[in-house]
Amino acid sequence: QSVLTQPPSVSGAPGQRVTISCTGSSSNIGAGSDVHWYQQLPGTAPKLLIYGNSNRPSGVPDRFSGSKSGTSASLAISGLQAEDEADYYCQSYDSSLSGYVFGTGTKVTVL
Amino acid sequence: QITLKESGPTLVKPTQTLTLTCTFSGFSLSTTGVAVGWIRQPPGKALEWLALIYWDDDKRYSPSLKSRLTITKDTPKNQVVLTMTNMDPVDTATYYCAHRRLASYYFDSWGQGTLVTVSS
Repeated sequence: QSVLTQPPSVSGAPGQRVTISCTGSSSNIGAGSDVHWYQQLPGTAPKLLIYGNSNRPSGVPDRFSGSKSGTSASLAISGLQAEDEADYYCQSYDSSLSGYVFGTGTKVTVL
Repeated sequence: QITLKESGPTLVKPTQTLTLTCTFSGFSLSTTGVAVGWIRQPPGKALEWLALIYWDDDKRYSPSLKSRLTITKDTPKNQVVLTMTNMDPVDTATYYCAHRRLASYYFDSWGQGTLVTVSS
């Protein structure tokens, strides 16, 4: 079972801004572990979207941004586009489990 | 360019042992700091980290599955092997291997995944 909690779904019209929350605990995000985000398009493998809380790998549009505060993190998608329709997962490291933890996943729907 | 590809059986019977191979290119597991991990995803469900092996052969396992998992590497062949014992229908999932770079705690390159179904 997932250690990090995300909303099951978010939706928005094209051009709008949506945010996805990722809530952890004092043994992962709250302990200072970085948060990373992955995008999973239908039927494909996850793709790294944001690393180190707010950094974008080469090729990721700047419409995607990440932030972290306390025991939570957020992913924002501005200027929502149809191609952004996908599942999004946050991920961190948990010191009490000594392992990597993923979020419950959020489905983004473009209306 | 880093690429990874998973291979193994698509169907296993309950109680059997699953053996999956990750064959990769574009990096070496002899490079300091590099690691390869395994992550799985049951149909319609979230990602779950399983295991990780480091360049120096150090290994980490998910606490909930540790007793059933073994991860090994064959550096000259650029392969990482994951075995999972006592398979159960709840282990039906797409299994991914992924690259973890030096001094990071995220996976920057993923294989395409392989669907493993556990059924009699």
